[in-house]
Amino acid sequence: KAGVTQTPRYLIKTRGQQVTLSCSPISGHRSVSWYQQTPGQGLQFLFEYFSETQRNKGNFPGRFSGRQFSNSRSEMNVSTLELGDSALYLCASSRGGQGANEQYFGPGTRLTVT
Amino acid sequence: AQTVTQSQPEMSVQEAETVTLSCTYDTSESDYYLFWYKQPPSRQMILVIRQEAYKQQNATENRFSVNFQKAAKSFSLKISDSQLGDAAMYFCAYRPPAGNQFYFGTGTSLTVIP
Repeated sequence: KAGVTQTPRYLIKTRGQQVTLSCSPISGHRSVSWYQQTPGQGLQFLFEYFSETQRNKGNFPGRFSGRQFSNSRSEMNVSTLELGDSALYLCASSRGGQGANEQYFGPGTRLTVT
Repeated sequence: AQTVTQSQPEMSVQEAETVTLSCTYDTSESDYYLFWYKQPPSRQMILVIRQEAYKQQNATENRFSVNFQKAAKSFSLKISDSQLGDAAMYFCAYRPPAGNQFYFGTGTSLTVIP
């Protein structure tokens, strides 16, 4: 079974621009979560989508948004990029139902804002 | 809010020896899930082991085992017969009984000395 895939793997953007990151979950997984990972803050939860609906949201400004499609693929968008948005963005998928629901992570997208 | 604390930013172990990584968490729930993830230099997060809070028996996966102390809200990871490939950042994570939001600790960087 294929793992979680994320595209692109690396991005360089300029302050003020916007960016869209993509995540394809493991087949059969309906939940997709997004995390921002930085050296100083660790892994911070952005949001979770389940069956095309945002189910949980972390404490990030409205510049960070996401969506999920009917095939469970998810996109994350960051508008008006700031230097502090430079980070590794990780996507994780899980079944999303009852039980432990361990999350399986993609390789991440490394975003650099200059 | 749930918090997960990893008090050891860095640890080192001799190859073939045993090392224990500490994790404590704060919750008012009685039913929840705990995980250890490993992030090697490749940045791919890998699930190491999981523990359901309602199970008294400590989880074990090959050389990896946990010491789950529910009353103390402690969840440590023991790595036996350490190998060079175990060198990575290790994250402890908590998932409440409802919803699918994971809370991660700040990580422990493990170095394995040949």
